[in-house]
Amino acid sequence: EVQLLESGGGLVQPGGSLRLSCAASGFTFSSYAMSWVRQAPGKGLEWVSAISGSGGSTYYADSVKGRFTISRDNSKNTLYLQMNSLRAEDTAVYYCAKERYDYIWGSYRSDWGQGTLVTVSS
Amino acid sequence: QSALTQPASVSGSPGQSITISCTGTSSDVGGYNYVSWYQQHPGKAPKLMIYEVSNRPSGVSNRFSGSKSGNTASLTISGLQAEDEADYYCSSYTRNVVFGGGTKLTVL
Repeated sequence: EVQLLESGGGLVQPGGSLRLSCAASGFTFSSYAMSWVRQAPGKGLEWVSAISGSGGSTYYADSVKGRFTISRDNSKNTLYLQMNSLRAEDTAVYYCAKERYDYIWGSYRSDWGQGTLVTVSS
Repeated sequence: QSALTQPASVSGSPGQSITISCTGTSSDVGGYNYVSWYQQHPGKAPKLMIYEVSNRPSGVSNRFSGSKSGNTASLTISGLQAEDEADYYCSSYTRNVVFGGGTKLTVL
């Protein structure tokens, strides 16, 4: 059974940083691309970033490019999202999702974690 | 503003069928058979319901079906049940992954 467990969310001031983690189990982690998708309170889903299985290719939404960095440690079966220069509009539940394939183009999110809440406020 | 357009809400009575549309352009929905649909109950994580326009993952009821015509994809739920009441999101690709704005399904 695929399990994805996010952690690292919390309250941070505008301009601050936070690192999210997603611990994966139940599948061969390095064989699948992974994504982060967020959902602001009362709003819809927004794709944030993705990374290939090897970690060699990364992708970002324009809204976070240059501020967020996605990475993975395949030896620890863990996905990360380093978030810098945080803004109020980054406030959201952040979901970790397993992609169906090793690549992102043409893939889809087959499994999702339960999410971790990030609140950016002074 | 989402890249893909969905109706904000739809409703139906138990046993009826409803269809949720997802309109994009020839650069996303219309250009590739890479449309997926996700169901989300309040306070819960999204769940994959349909992938590659019309395929159902194992374990998803055959009451859920997907299709596409031109730049518009559709999710149809037949034999509506109370448990189907949720938000539904479509997804496709432009330069990257894009989602629709979501549709709230109310079972009357």
